[in-house]
Amino acid sequence: AQKITQTQPGMFVQEKEAVTLDCTYDTSDQSYGLFWYKQPSSGEMIFLIYQGSYDEQNATEGRYSLNFQKARKSTNLVISASQLGDSAMYFCAMREGLTGFQKLVFGTGTRLLVSP
Amino acid sequence: NAGVTQTPKFQVLKTGQSMTLQCAQDMNHEYMSWYRQDPGMGLRLIHYSVGAGITDQGEVPNGYNVSRSTTEDFPLRLLSAAPSQTSVYFCASRNTGGSQGYGYTFGSGTRLTVV
Repeated sequence: AQKITQTQPGMFVQEKEAVTLDCTYDTSDQSYGLFWYKQPSSGEMIFLIYQGSYDEQNATEGRYSLNFQKARKSTNLVISASQLGDSAMYFCAMREGLTGFQKLVFGTGTRLLVSP
Repeated sequence: NAGVTQTPKFQVLKTGQSMTLQCAQDMNHEYMSWYRQDPGMGLRLIHYSVGAGITDQGEVPNGYNVSRSTTEDFPLRLLSAAPSQTSVYFCASRNTGGSQGYGYTFGSGTRLTVV
């Protein structure tokens, strides 16, 4: 079963507008972490934002924020005031468990295109 | 600069050849891992290590070997390259907490083509 689901293969947004990228997850663990990474055309994986399962407030990092709905098992990324440089692939990932290696499980990604 | 360094950035191999993808980190992280990225499939875990001398398999380990003789280095070996191993490979080192919440810092990737 898919543990991380990103249902939007591609999204388009105009510069300066906000955009929401969807991510749902599946886990039976009580303790887990949720991540978003950005992958520009140059290929590197850039960490954007993190939400812990016990965090009561939605995470915020600059123009990035998460709409974390634990009961619905969703953690949507909101990018405010989109910029041309935001055009990239965006991956949602989950870390499971408290101890041990705690691998990251990735979704298939959403390609965001920001137009002028 | 602190981080994860991968070499080479690009490589073309012939079927049956062997090679080693290098990965080094200077953050004294215990946990390191290798992922491969294929179109439409996200990143998948190949092998990982929780410390020097300790390695284990991820979800797609076949055709790959790893070793961890030092904390800093975690090379990935392709024993006999196959076209199915054409992919982008990422090495990742685990953060110890803070704002990244035990997530990983990724190297810049190695784009491997097997012909």
